[in-house]
Amino acid sequence: GENVEQHPSTLSVQEGDSAVIKCTYSDSASNYFPWYKQELGKGPQLIIDIRSNVGEKKDQRIAVTLNKTAKHFSLHITETQPEDSAVYFCAATSGRYSGGGADGLTFGKGTHLIIQP
Amino acid sequence: AAGVIQSPRHLIKEKRETATLKCYPIPRHDTVYWYQQGPGQDPQFLISFYEKMQSDKGSIPDRFSAQQFSDYHSELNMSSLELGDSALYFCASSLEGAGAEQYFGPGTRLTVT
Repeated sequence: GENVEQHPSTLSVQEGDSAVIKCTYSDSASNYFPWYKQELGKGPQLIIDIRSNVGEKKDQRIAVTLNKTAKHFSLHITETQPEDSAVYFCAATSGRYSGGGADGLTFGKGTHLIIQP
Repeated sequence: AAGVIQSPRHLIKEKRETATLKCYPIPRHDTVYWYQQGPGQDPQFLISFYEKMQSDKGSIPDRFSAQQFSDYHSELNMSSLELGDSALYFCASSLEGAGAEQYFGPGTRLTVT
């Protein structure tokens, strides 16, 4: 099955600086890569995603890049703010049910992002 | 905008008891997923349903079962509960299945004593 590795496990940055979180995946059939933000006691919140036919996607201060050849994708957050502090998870689908059905997501272990004031 | 609704939000059970968790997907979403998240861990996929049919299966114990009903809501039934089943259980929903954006609910915190 799919295996997703995520680094670093903890990331501390100064407010206003950029943060980068990296993930690698193992299954070359994976075709959908979402990123989730999870605050304490809450459900994961989808913040951005990318599909295998796209190399980069940006939404305001957040961007995601995908390198299919190397099987890695990254989350970039610019101009970090205190409210960005949370645990961030990358995920991937195995793509076993292309064209229909419902793939479960395989998550990375998470990155605890701390924004220092 | 309407979100995924889960009930109950908190549940305390004793070992060997049974629990039922409910999930109401975002309106018009036809797919539901169940995940289990232990303390300090990533969510682990359990099972999914697309158009009321079981679709994908992850690390769901044989003691657990689930189904999706005609109104698309889903229930996760857990029997012979063990201490290790204590976790957050999330339901997510999406529209049109594979590769679709999954939106998570607030979760049910299950404590087994």
